[in-house]
Amino acid sequence: DGGITQSPKYLFRKEGQNVTLSCEQNLNHDAMYWYRQDPGQGLRLIYYSQIVNDFQKGDIAEGYSVSREKKESFPLTVTSAQKNPTAFYLCASSRRTGVETQYFGPGTRLLVL
Amino acid sequence: DQQVKQNSPSLSVQEGRISILNCDYTNSMFDYFLWYKKYPAEGPTFLISISSIKDKNEDGRFTVFLNKSAKHLSLHIVPSQPGDSAVYFCAARGGTYKYIFGTGTRLKVLA
Repeated sequence: DGGITQSPKYLFRKEGQNVTLSCEQNLNHDAMYWYRQDPGQGLRLIYYSQIVNDFQKGDIAEGYSVSREKKESFPLTVTSAQKNPTAFYLCASSRRTGVETQYFGPGTRLLVL
Repeated sequence: DQQVKQNSPSLSVQEGRISILNCDYTNSMFDYFLWYKKYPAEGPTFLISISSIKDKNEDGRFTVFLNKSAKHLSLHIVPSQPGDSAVYFCAARGGTYKYIFGTGTRLKVLA
């Protein structure tokens, strides 16, 4: 069964702490994305990656970092520099060519203690 | 600057009637549009898409209409069912890999 998995479902961060959100896909998609959703707002792009070992900043990259060492994995680190990290984080993937519909994982809710 | 706008934050419709969700965009270079459905605490699910070379695409109860001159697209759901109650996002392709999402419309289908 192909799909995108995100873990954990809920994550708590203490002040000054870095936390990493996991995203894995077995759809053989080249492109992967991280979005942030806040109440009453649309999805805002944090980072995206077109191929392994390459990634670009989205609209709200400050305070976040990513890596793309494997095609299947695109972890997102929320650093202590992100002053307002409480949000719902969504990972997505798409094929590199053709109709590039993005498919989403179930999301991770990050809360600050 | 919101390039993709969904001006109605919520919509209530009776079961069996038509639901019409609207989306406006500002950039005439957008060439592909999608609608997603999202339940609380879940990721969005792809619903239907339309290329800018078409003005209509249909899939079962869901039809998307595109009016390029007005920079407007709409999603019609006929007939509406209680299970359709969710938040609906429209998205426009703003680059090879980049989609820009609207703020969403919460649809409530009343039994």
